[in-house]
Amino acid sequence: QKEVEQNSGPLSVPEGAIASLNCTYSDRGSQSFFWYRQYSGKSPELIMSIYSNGDKEDGRFTAQLNKASQYVSLLIRDSQPSDSATYLCAGKDAGNMLTFGGGTRLMVKP
Amino acid sequence: EAQVTQNPRYLITVTGKKLTVTCSQNMNHEYMSWYRQDPGLGLRQIYYSMNVEVTDKGDVPEGYKVSRKEKRNFPLILESPSPNQTSLYFCASSLWQGTETQYFGPGTRLLVL
Repeated sequence: QKEVEQNSGPLSVPEGAIASLNCTYSDRGSQSFFWYRQYSGKSPELIMSIYSNGDKEDGRFTAQLNKASQYVSLLIRDSQPSDSATYLCAGKDAGNMLTFGGGTRLMVKP
Repeated sequence: EAQVTQNPRYLITVTGKKLTVTCSQNMNHEYMSWYRQDPGLGLRQIYYSMNVEVTDKGDVPEGYKVSRKEKRNFPLILESPSPNQTSLYFCASSLWQGTETQYFGPGTRLLVL
């Protein structure tokens, strides 16, 4: 059974701080990883994807992947109250099947 | 506007009463799928379809049926709903299975009494 694990949170950070969201996965065959943001009562939206080891930056967001440790993270710099949401980590295997983690709820306090 | 629509958005029903949740996309996407979301369990795939008349089971297909007679529509059928199917359901579509960007519908919240 392929698993993607996330701490459910809530993770609480003050406005302007760096939020660090973490994810581990069990399937070494997973090729690529995604971070989705889901506001309460809304559908998930893709915010970052990462395919190779290292960092990938997009604006205030940085995704990090370490395949040896089977670890994915998402850093949000200068966190804003509007970043408060649940963040879902997902891994895609060689068969293009997505497995989602349970999500981490982030709260950014003004 | 490119979108995935689902109906109904909210549904309360009783055990054993057949229901259908519709899903439609207007982006000419080949790949469509259904997920259920339960607290702490993330999104779990129920069924997916890679094209018309091609459907396959996801991780949690028991108690569900789907059909893909047209490219744009992918209804989810619960022949005999049970309380453990109370959940939030999302339909999603993408250009093809390997495309990283999936477009999600707004969700259908189902309560089975």
